[in-house]
Formats: sequence, structure tokens, C-alpha cells
Amino acid sequence: DAGITQSPRHKVTETGTPVTLRCHQTENHRYMYWYRQDPGHGLRLIHYSYGVKDTDKGEVSDGYSVSRSKTEDFLLTLESATSSQTSVYFCAISVSLTSYEQYFGPGTRLTVT
Amino acid sequence: AQKITQTQPGMFVQEKEAVTLDCTYDTSDQSYGLFWYKQPSSGEMIFLIYQGSYDEQNATEGRYSLNFQKARKSANLVISASQLGDSAMYFCAMREGKRRNQFYFGTGTSLTVIP
Repeated sequence: DAGITQSPRHKVTETGTPVTLRCHQTENHRYMYWYRQDPGHGLRLIHYSYGVKDTDKGEVSDGYSVSRSKTEDFLLTLESATSSQTSVYFCAISVSLTSYEQYFGPGTRLTVT
Repeated sequence: AQKITQTQPGMFVQEKEAVTLDCTYDTSDQSYGLFWYKQPSSGEMIFLIYQGSYDEQNATEGRYSLNFQKARKSANLVISASQLGDSAMYFCAMREGKRRNQFYFGTGTSLTVIP
């Protein structure tokens, strides 16, 4: 158990509303990631962080922003949600600094209507 | 071009038999990492096995082994002695990047173990 929690676990929101998803870890690991999972696409990296206030874009970052003001929390914000952002969102951490294998949170199912 | 390709959308295997799940990758980096993850129907993502690009030996973790063929850019997962609990989606993934790591996942293979 890598001590990763995500909140909320489920959310339904309307198009155009802002949404923030939270990822919390208990073990002070530097590297954190946000992915989305869609049928036929596997997982795609949205943003990642290498430490407090150190974030970078992944493969599908358009429409998303992130913040990391504390080591333990990595926030993903959809400034104005669209139906194409309906997905399952996973947060992950890397424990090893040689392999960087990732350990995932339980996921958040977001539906944008 | 796809960074990770998994060409088997679905696979079936008899219980106690071995099964190979295919994965090919595309990178021009010399240093990279390859991973396999399992996603049961409950939805969590579980790390299974890792192979570094400079590792000469194939990685093994219990019943899982990674058949790494660098020249062919393939990283197949072999599960020996399949169990009913192995029924799940399996994802191949790659880490690459000179300055900052980027991660890419394949579209997955659904494995069903038949009793």
C-alpha cells in the first residue's frame, strides 16, 4: 500500500464548471503524476510533478492545470469542464529513483454532463 | 507513431498454463524503462514488473517474467501457471526522456483465465 488517496472518488458535474481533483500521499515522495484512462486509449499522462512547485506537462495537458504547494498533495484542475473530459483519473507516485515504477491511487470517476 | 503497441485486445488461457502478452515499443532514447501493470475488474492499477534498457537479464517477479528483446523493441510479459485471479487487463508502459521522464501506456490486453 503506497498510501495514496484520491478525492472525490466519484463526481458528476456540468459542462463549463470548474473541477478540482485531489491526490494525497502519506510518504513524502517527490514524484507524482496525473493520468486519465479512456476506453481504447489506455492511460495517458496529463501532468506530473518532481516536487513542490515543480510541475510539467504530459501528453494530454490541454484543458488541465495542476498545483503542488505541499509535498503530500497534487491537485488537478479542470478550469471549465467539457464532456470530452469525462474519464477515470488516476494519480500515481514513483517510489524508486532508479526504475521510477509507479504506484497508483484508486482513481476518480468524473462525468461531465 | 504509437510509443507502445499491444496488438492483442483479448486473450484466453487455460488455468495452470503459461501465457505470453505482447508489447512492442518505439523510442530513440538509449536509456528507458519498461513496465507491466495489471488492472483487475475492480479498477486499481497494480505494478507487476520492470525492465531497464541496460539490464541484460530478463526481469522476473514470481510467476511473471519479462521477455526483453532490445533489437526487436519488444517487452512481452510471460505469466506462468495461470490462475483464475490473473483474469484482468494488462498494460505495458514505457518511461523515456533525457531531462524529464515521460510515461506512455499501451491500450491493454484483456486476459481471461478459463478453469
